[in-house]
Amino acid sequence: EVHLVESGGGLVQPGRSLRLSCVASGFSLGNYAMHWVRQPPGEGLQWVSGITWNSGRIDYADSVRGRFTISRDNAKNSLYLQMTSLRPEDTALYYCAKDDSGSYWGIDHWGQGTLVTVSS
Amino acid sequence: QSVLTQPPSASGTPGQRVTISCSGGSSNIGGNTVSWHQQLPGSAPKLLIYSNYQRPSGVPDRFSGSKSGTSASLAISGLQSEDEAEYYCVSWDDNVNAYVFGTGTTVTVL
Repeated sequence: EVHLVESGGGLVQPGRSLRLSCVASGFSLGNYAMHWVRQPPGEGLQWVSGITWNSGRIDYADSVRGRFTISRDNAKNSLYLQMTSLRPEDTALYYCAKDDSGSYWGIDHWGQGTLVTVSS
Repeated sequence: QSVLTQPPSASGTPGQRVTISCSGGSSNIGGNTVSWHQQLPGSAPKLLIYSNYQRPSGVPDRFSGSKSGTSASLAISGLQSEDEAEYYCVSWDDNVNAYVFGTGTTVTVL
């Protein structure tokens, strides 16, 4: 069974940094593209970033490009999101999500999310 | 980032059929596949439909998807109380090189 567990969320001041992690189990992370998707409180889903199986292609939403960095360690079955220059509008529940293929085909499994709150 | 347009709400009585639309453009739905995700209250999203109309194993056949041109639809037939949830469509957008989600539709069972 596919299992995705996010961690690293918390309360952080504007302008500071935070690193999210996602540990995968039940499948070989190295065979699949992965994504980060966020959901601000009371709002809809927003795709944040995606990375192909071998990190050969990486994409970001306009709202985070230049501030967030996605990465993966297939040997550790882990996905990461380094977030810098955080803004209050980055406050959201951040989901780790598995793609159905090694490149981008579509999300087929979700984690439970980790909450990031950006506030002074 | 561009978004896909969905009606904010839809409702029906148990047993009825409810349809949710998802409107986009040539750079997303018009040229790429559409998926649908269900988010029950207080839970993470779950894949409901992929590749426009395919159902993952375990998803009841009451749920069906379709796509025509730059629009897609999700239909729920034989509506049940456990179908009360938020539903999102999503597609890749070639103009912005990003996945774009729909605005979300809240389904209520009356």
